[in-house]
Amino acid sequence: DQQVKQNSPSLSVQEGRISILNCDYTNSMFDYFLWYKKYPAEGPTFLISISSIKDKNEDGRFTVFLNKSAKHLSLHIVPSQPGDSAVYFCAARGGGSQGNLIFGKGTKLSVKP
Amino acid sequence: NAGVTQTPKFQVLKTGQSMTLQCAQDMNHNSMYWYRQDPGMGLRLIYYSASEGTTDKGEVPNGYNVSRLNKREFSLRLESAAPSQTSVYFCASTHGPGTEAFFGQGTRLTVV
Repeated sequence: DQQVKQNSPSLSVQEGRISILNCDYTNSMFDYFLWYKKYPAEGPTFLISISSIKDKNEDGRFTVFLNKSAKHLSLHIVPSQPGDSAVYFCAARGGGSQGNLIFGKGTKLSVKP
Repeated sequence: NAGVTQTPKFQVLKTGQSMTLQCAQDMNHNSMYWYRQDPGMGLRLIYYSASEGTTDKGEVPNGYNVSRLNKREFSLRLESAAPSQTSVYFCASTHGPGTEAFFGQGTRLTVV
């Protein structure tokens, strides 16, 4: 049973506009959420994170919003650039002593010039 | 800055063959992980090592074994490869469990 869900396999956005990537989770024990970006033939790279005690974290063009009551987080990219075209993975820190990261299936973002 | 280094980058195996995927990190991280990525499946945890000397199963451990050789190195072994193990394998490391993970560039494995 998927604990971290990214329901949109792909998203296409025009350059300069906002990209919004969504992620839902089922486990209320998750306490830390991360977004990773992955280019083809490369490993995922860390983008931005948010603790469950916050509802927003911003880093340059990237902002992550967390709605704990809805068990939903989103990544906003403004303005979107062609170089942002990649697969974006949402991840959550699992409960328990190990706290391993649990990943969603990813959303492929295409930013068109 | 090497970060996390995986070898080999590509490998083709015949069904039943064995091989070991190597991973080394130079960030003095305590925890290391092996993931596999399949189309439409995201990243699934195979095995992890929370600290030197310990290893534990993840979500999809069947058909794999691991060795945490020392703090730097964490290898993944396929004893008898199967076509279902065709995938891209990523090694990752973190300072501690659940903190930001740093990934290697991946090993693309094809089992025919």
